[in-house]
Parts: sequence; structure tokens; C-alpha cells
Amino acid sequence: DQQVKQNSPSLSVQEGRISILNCDYTNSMFDYFLWYKKYPAEGPTFLISISSIKDKNEDGRFTVFLNKSAKHLSLHIVPSQPGDSAVYFCAASAGDMRFGAGTRLTVKP
Amino acid sequence: DAGVIQSPRHEVTEMGQEVTLRCKPISGHDYLFWYRQTMMRGLELLIYFNNNVPIDDSGMPEDRFSAKMPNASFSTLKIQPSEPRDSAVYFCASSLLATNTEAFFGQGTRLTVV
Repeated sequence: DQQVKQNSPSLSVQEGRISILNCDYTNSMFDYFLWYKKYPAEGPTFLISISSIKDKNEDGRFTVFLNKSAKHLSLHIVPSQPGDSAVYFCAASAGDMRFGAGTRLTVKP
Repeated sequence: DAGVIQSPRHEVTEMGQEVTLRCKPISGHDYLFWYRQTMMRGLELLIYFNNNVPIDDSGMPEDRFSAKMPNASFSTLKIQPSEPRDSAVYFCASSLLATNTEAFFGQGTRLTVV
């Protein structure tokens, strides 16, 4: 039962352009949402989060948007850089923490 | 703090053998999570503990899997007997609170069952 879904396994963008990663969830009890970044042979590292009482949170080049009615969140990276190339996981929390399958982002120079 | 520490980093074992994965959470964190990473399902939550007590083990795939947390600084995930389909990367993570905070991950244990 996948409560958190990332339907795009991969995304490729040009350096300097915007990257948009999407995530959908099914459990309306989730009240906190996070994005993690993962490099090969390393554990996921926290990137940015948003509480369910907000619809936007920005941190430098990274912005997370939350649409509660659609049960959808997205991560915008602008401008994208080659060092952003990694797997990005969406997560949602309601006491536990559930993750999606991940989206592999490739930023081309 | 050194972060979440997992051991071993790599484990290769033969089918049918017992495997024990170990985790030391960040000191002071009350929540500990065990995840399995696979290509198809991404990061699957297997079980999580609050103050050393298992809260939800519904993600544990089979009775062959068991997890314990005998104290606040140590947890184990055991697979007995192991099977080739258990091959994956297993992550441990810890967090201070149940929500409104991030979880910190260890570097993972890559398990290969041959």
C-alpha cells in the first residue's frame, strides 16, 4: 500500500533551468511533508520540509509547494545545477514517516 | 554527535543463514525507523520504535524478519532464515519527535543473499 507516490522515476533538465519534482499522497492524516536527497552509497539527507498548515516553503534555490485538497506536493529547484543530480525522495509523516519510490534527477551541463 | 551509525556497511551471506543488522541512533532521539530500499518500492518503512517500544511493525514483510531495541542507543534488525529476495539496502533513521521534524539516516547496510 503505497501511501506516498512519485510517479516519475526520472527527470532530466538543463543546467540553469527549473526542475520540478512531483509527489502525491493518499493519507489525509499526514501533517508534515519532507524532501530528501540521496547520492549513491550514502543515506538520504534532509533537504526541505513543509507543515500541512502552509502551502509554500522556500529555502534558497529550493521551494516546496503543498496542495492539500489535491493531496499533492512538488519540489522546485531553480536554477538547477549539475551537483543537484541525485535521487529525490518525497516523504510524509503522521507519527511514522513514509517515503515514495524516488525520482532520479539528472542536471546536464 | 557522529550521526546514525549502521553496521556492517556490506553483508554477503548464503541463503538460509541468519543476518543481523545493527543501528546506533543519534543520542537523545526518541524515534527509530528501519527502512528497506528497493528499485520498485523505494524506501519501505519496515518498523519504527518510540522510546524503545515498537509502535508499528506492519511493514515487516514476513515472520522471518524481527527487530529489537533493547535500549535507547541500539537496535537490531534480524532476518532468519535469509533468502535471495531479501537482498537490498537497509537503512536506519532516527528523529527527535514524531512529526514536524526530519529524520536522520545512517549510511545503510547493503545486504546480498546468494
